[in-house]
Amino acid sequence: EIVLTQSPATLSLSPGERATLSCRASQGLYTHLAWYQHKPGQAPRLLIYEASTRATGIPARFSGRGSGTDFTLTISSLEPEDSAVYYCQQRSNWPYEYTFGQGTRLEIK
Amino acid sequence: QVQLVESGGGVVQPGGSLRLSCSASGFTFSRKGMHWVRQAPGKGLEWVALINFDGSDKNYADSVKGRFTVSRDNSKNTLYLQMNILRVEDTAVYYCVRESDYGANPRNWFDPWGQGTQVIVSS
Repeated sequence: EIVLTQSPATLSLSPGERATLSCRASQGLYTHLAWYQHKPGQAPRLLIYEASTRATGIPARFSGRGSGTDFTLTISSLEPEDSAVYYCQQRSNWPYEYTFGQGTRLEIK
Repeated sequence: QVQLVESGGGVVQPGGSLRLSCSASGFTFSRKGMHWVRQAPGKGLEWVALINFDGSDKNYADSVKGRFTVSRDNSKNTLYLQMNILRVEDTAVYYCVRESDYGANPRNWFDPWGQGTQVIVSS
């Protein structure tokens, strides 16, 4: 089973600052990794798939990069509404099973 | 637009059963694989089960294998999760999720998600 480890667990930054979130996989994933944003009381939202491609409607301040075992999600200039928990996710080979990282809580001061 | 609306959550005793439903609209339901994902209180997201577009292929997380059954009725645009022998640790918000439309393999990703339904297992 592939384990995804996210760091840091919590991040507290001010509006306008840059946030860098990390996701490390226990085995190589090529670029088969996604990022989700989850706000309290709301449905999670897909931000990035295939490590670096933004989903439809996702602002350009969100970007992803990485391959193999090390991935990052960067939010270039934080807005107050970016306060959320962010998860990385991967899908294993057949039979399909899916795992998430434990999440990074981003707080906007 | 795509809508996924879960129902059927509630409070049940350990060892009991519950059936969740997810009503889908805004897309051709019979062409897309579907999932259940849950979030226990204070915990992260956990994938629970998948079913392919026609129901011929299913898979489950080890934590629910043998107790939960995913199914679908394409004539009713509805996804189900039958949960038996419920445990306290099954307490969670359960999300109905569609496989995405993105990338070379859309089955890799989850998009969109429903709002979730709360399941509480407690005596």
